[in-house]
Amino acid sequence: GAVVSQHPSWVICKSGTSVKIECRSLDFQATTMFWYRQFPKQSLMLMATSNEGSKATYEQGVEKDKFLINHASLTLSTLTVTSAHPEDSSFYICSARDRGGWVEKLFFGSGTQLSVL
Amino acid sequence: GESVGLHLPTLSVQEGDNSIINCAYSNSASDYFIWYKQESGKGPQFIIDIRSNMDKRQGQRVTVLLNKTVKHLSLQIAATQPGDSAVYFCAERAQRGSYIPTFGRGTSLIVHP
Repeated sequence: GAVVSQHPSWVICKSGTSVKIECRSLDFQATTMFWYRQFPKQSLMLMATSNEGSKATYEQGVEKDKFLINHASLTLSTLTVTSAHPEDSSFYICSARDRGGWVEKLFFGSGTQLSVL
Repeated sequence: GESVGLHLPTLSVQEGDNSIINCAYSNSASDYFIWYKQESGKGPQFIIDIRSNMDKRQGQRVTVLLNKTVKHLSLQIAATQPGDSAVYFCAERAQRGSYIPTFGRGTSLIVHP
């Protein structure tokens, strides 16, 4: 199956700093990628839809200026958590849809555990 | 609002037993359903899917049953193994053309050796 690589796997940062998370589709082109957030023992919450070459579409309640998304190529989307605070600590997961066909399965990255001190 | 939910947050089984994980959905317009497995600290992994024009689909050791009358979905795992221990999510696609699944709450499956 298709592979989505997410990096870093975990990151610890100080409050007020910015953190960038990368999501790459390794063996397919993804015009659309998705970013999720997951708290312990909870489900995945869709944050935004990342579209190659255009602005991301954010879900209601997600701050656009807080969570910057850039989808500069067909294989790379980045999520930048700006001025991170402890409440931003969470597990962030990206996923991508294969461009070639009606494939409806999303392929997920391995996630990034963000801890803000 | 409409949502996808799960009946049991935790399911404990013995190795070798069959497991049944249930999911209730409320959006009658949903036409496609997916089961994902998420191991600790990892992203979800696709297990099996089913379209609304089907009521059963089988994979390797897994079977998904769909009952549209009562809006219920189940995942059956045969001969459960310790490696099956994970959180299982059902997800629905609520509108045709949308590739964004809505995830349910999740059920933690614990397999005891």
